[in-house]
Amino acid sequence: DIQLTQSPSFLSASVGDRVTITCRASQVIGSYLAWYQQKPGKAPKLLIYTTSTLQSGVPSRFSGSGSGREFTLTISSLQPEDFATYYCQQFSSYPSFGPGTKVDIK
Amino acid sequence: EVQLVESGGGLVEPGGSLRLSCAASGFTFSDAWMSWVRQAPGKGLEWIGRIKNKGVGGATDYAAPVKGRFTISRDDSKTTVFLQMNSLKTEDTAVYYCTAEAGNPSFEYWGQGTLVTVSS
Repeated sequence: DIQLTQSPSFLSASVGDRVTITCRASQVIGSYLAWYQQKPGKAPKLLIYTTSTLQSGVPSRFSGSGSGREFTLTISSLQPEDFATYYCQQFSSYPSFGPGTKVDIK
Repeated sequence: EVQLVESGGGLVEPGGSLRLSCAASGFTFSDAWMSWVRQAPGKGLEWIGRIKNKGVGGATDYAAPVKGRFTISRDDSKTTVFLQMNSLKTEDTAVYYCTAEAGNPSFEYWGQGTLVTVSS
């Protein structure tokens, strides 16, 4: 099974900050990586798939990059509605999720 | 508008069974691979299994913690996917989400979730 780790697990930031979250896979997964945003009490929302493709309707301040085993999600200028937990997910083999990164208000 | 609506959650005793349903609309259900994802209270997301479309044989895959106890099925005529859960354990307590892969390798669509509580 492919394991995913995320760093940091918790991030405190201010509105306007540039935020980067890293996801590392236990083996090479090609470009089969997606990112989700989840707010308390709500279902996750797809942000990015195949590493860097922005889902329709997602603001352009979100971007994804990476390859092989290391991937990043970047929020170029954090907005109030972006405070949430972010999960990466791989589709190279049976789907699995990273443990999540909580982005909180500084 | 895409909708995934789960139902069937509730309180069940350890060792019991429960069947969840997820009614889908707004996309081509028969082409989609449908998965179930759960989230224990205060924890992260856990993929538990999926059913592929009939075009690739409708095969199912399961995560190790539920293999042999949970069964996923689908009824394309009713655009509904099911999760039969047997031999439930307290650690199965979670919100269960139905999700759809409808074209891209991602869980593009999600239901609102249904809470399953396993407790005596």
